[in-house]
Amino acid sequence: EAQVTQNPRYLITVTGKKLTVTCSQNMNHEYMSWYRQDPGLGLRQIYYSMNVEVTDKGDVPEGYKVSRKEKRNFPLILESPSPNQTSLYFCASSLRGPYNYGYTFGSGTRLTVV
Amino acid sequence: TQLLEQSPQFLSIQEGENLTVYCNSSSVFSSLQWYRQEPGEGPVLLVTVVTGGEVKKLKRLTFQFGDARKDSSLHITAAQTGDTGLYLCAGAPSGTYKYIFGTGTRLKVLA
Repeated sequence: EAQVTQNPRYLITVTGKKLTVTCSQNMNHEYMSWYRQDPGLGLRQIYYSMNVEVTDKGDVPEGYKVSRKEKRNFPLILESPSPNQTSLYFCASSLRGPYNYGYTFGSGTRLTVV
Repeated sequence: TQLLEQSPQFLSIQEGENLTVYCNSSSVFSSLQWYRQEPGEGPVLLVTVVTGGEVKKLKRLTFQFGDARKDSSLHITAAQTGDTGLYLCAGAPSGTYKYIFGTGTRLKVLA
């Protein structure tokens, strides 16, 4: 089944403890992206990648890192999480970009930083 | 700022009723996508509209792209409780690679 898999689904962590949210897609998509979704603010892009080893900042990149060493994986790294990073996170992929093809989204990771 | 404004913001209707959701912008879009998001899940792509004036049907859902490609609508006929969710339009204004999401319409269909 074509899908984007994120792990974990739920995570509660403490301020400052480094964490990684994994994302993997099995559709050979070139374009991958991370979003966070907050009430009243909608979906905001954190980082995106147009292909292996090509990443760029989205609208809200502060406090996050990403890497794209393989086509299928696009992990999101929070080096020192803070409470304002409590949010619902989505990984998404697209064949060559969402502009014409739209996205396939993962099921989400609900992160709570205390 | 390029925006996709959706209306209404919230909608609560009885099963069997019809409804229309709107997505408007002052910018021209080369294409627009519509997604539905259920609580706690990721958005799911429903359709892409590309040509001005285009109409696409997906069972009881009818999507239309405005002639000037600045707006779109989603009409649901005989709504069912399974249609409950957040509906999002999205796209990149022509000449840009900035993909933006609409403000969303939260639909609740009551049995």
